[in-house]
Amino acid sequence: GAGVSQSPRYKVAKRGQDVALRCDPISGHVSLFWYQQALGQGPEFLTYFQNEAQLDKSGLPSDRFFAERPEGSVSTLKIQRTQQEDSAVYLCASSLRDRASGAQYFGPGTRLLVL
Amino acid sequence: DAKTTQPPSMDCAEGRAANLPCNHSTISGNEYVYWYRQIHSQGPQYIIHGLKNNETNEMASLIITEDRKSSTLILPHATLRDTAVYYCIVSLRPMEYGNKLVFGAGTILRVKS
Repeated sequence: GAGVSQSPRYKVAKRGQDVALRCDPISGHVSLFWYQQALGQGPEFLTYFQNEAQLDKSGLPSDRFFAERPEGSVSTLKIQRTQQEDSAVYLCASSLRDRASGAQYFGPGTRLLVL
Repeated sequence: DAKTTQPPSMDCAEGRAANLPCNHSTISGNEYVYWYRQIHSQGPQYIIHGLKNNETNEMASLIITEDRKSSTLILPHATLRDTAVYYCIVSLRPMEYGNKLVFGAGTILRVKS
């Protein structure tokens, strides 16, 4: 079946621009996570949704970062007034909360480069 | 979350077993051990998880010591496609809210022909 998809796969932005990154989770997956991965490092948690409810946004680095999942399926991560330090791969993952394993299934990521 | 310690890198010959160690000495009783891997330019991929019993699936085996302070991921017949960064993660029971994964630096496994 279809996995988690993300778009765009690559995004180049000028410093100060706003960007929007999209995540399509696996159909029926209740939980959705966003992670940020800097070059050479492991992914770091940004935020978590259960259906449309954003239950944890403790990892968002600043108020320039905003995420939403209005209908409990597709999610968008928005970064306003991008800075060079925002350059990273942004990963989305989804999981079935009720599955015994609770494994998270990751998309391929969006590579953001801020110039 | 409990922290894990892994060697930064390992090499393995193609066709041989790859044994990746992980220390998690501060793990608590309700925390699971998860293994993920990340192949270059891809998102992380779930491999296996366990609580205290050894586990096996089509990808790998997970051996957890009796005191649960360490574990070993075993890839029985490594192939070149297994070259990746392997992450050992300790996390609460999957169905808990906000079960975010806390990734460390992982182990770079290089499988060589």
